[in-house]
Amino acid sequence: QKEVEQDPGPLSVPEGAIVSLNCTYSNSAFQYFMWYRQYSRKGPELLMYTYSSGNKEDGRFTAQVDKSSKYISLFIRDSQPSDSATYLCAIRDRTGNQFYFGTGTSLTVIP
Amino acid sequence: NAGVTQTPKFRILKIGQSMTLQCTQDMNHNYMYWYRQDPGMGLKLIYYSVGAGITDKGEVPNGYNVSRSTTEDFPLRLELAAPSQTSVYFCASSQLNTGELFFGEGSRLTVL
Repeated sequence: QKEVEQDPGPLSVPEGAIVSLNCTYSNSAFQYFMWYRQYSRKGPELLMYTYSSGNKEDGRFTAQVDKSSKYISLFIRDSQPSDSATYLCAIRDRTGNQFYFGTGTSLTVIP
Repeated sequence: NAGVTQTPKFRILKIGQSMTLQCTQDMNHNYMYWYRQDPGMGLKLIYYSVGAGITDKGEVPNGYNVSRSTTEDFPLRLELAAPSQTSVYFCASSQLNTGELFFGEGSRLTVL
């Protein structure tokens, strides 16, 4: 069983739509829950990370973690064409030594 | 701060050749990582290091070697390049007790 499973997509939405990206994880001992954004031919960049269950907001982005069901989500409100990218969920294990990544979801926002 | 710097950005190798991908960071991070990314496969960990002089294997270490003689540098060595090593390689660094992992821009390697 993979440590992190991510809905593969791709997703294509009209500008202004609400986008929901989802991942599940296998080990309840995982500690940090992250979302990275990767533009084509670039390295991933951190969008948000959280330590606990619940919601964390940053502008149009909301990260949600449900530790009881081992489920993490990223919501994007009022999506923009500039949000078109691949989104990767990631988890850091309790030792801190390793990060585990989902396979990524490709998002296209159509003007 | 330059962050994480990788060189070269692009390289074409012939089968059987060897090369080193360079990675340096100026954030004084203890943790450094090498990943490879293939289309639709996400990021796979090759090797990681938790500090100078300490390295460990990740998920896909075969065909690669690393060293960590300083906090700043974490080079990845490819011995006897094979077509299966055609990929995009990312170096990254982090500190403990954070979810932040800082990536370089990537090195695109093709083995023919």
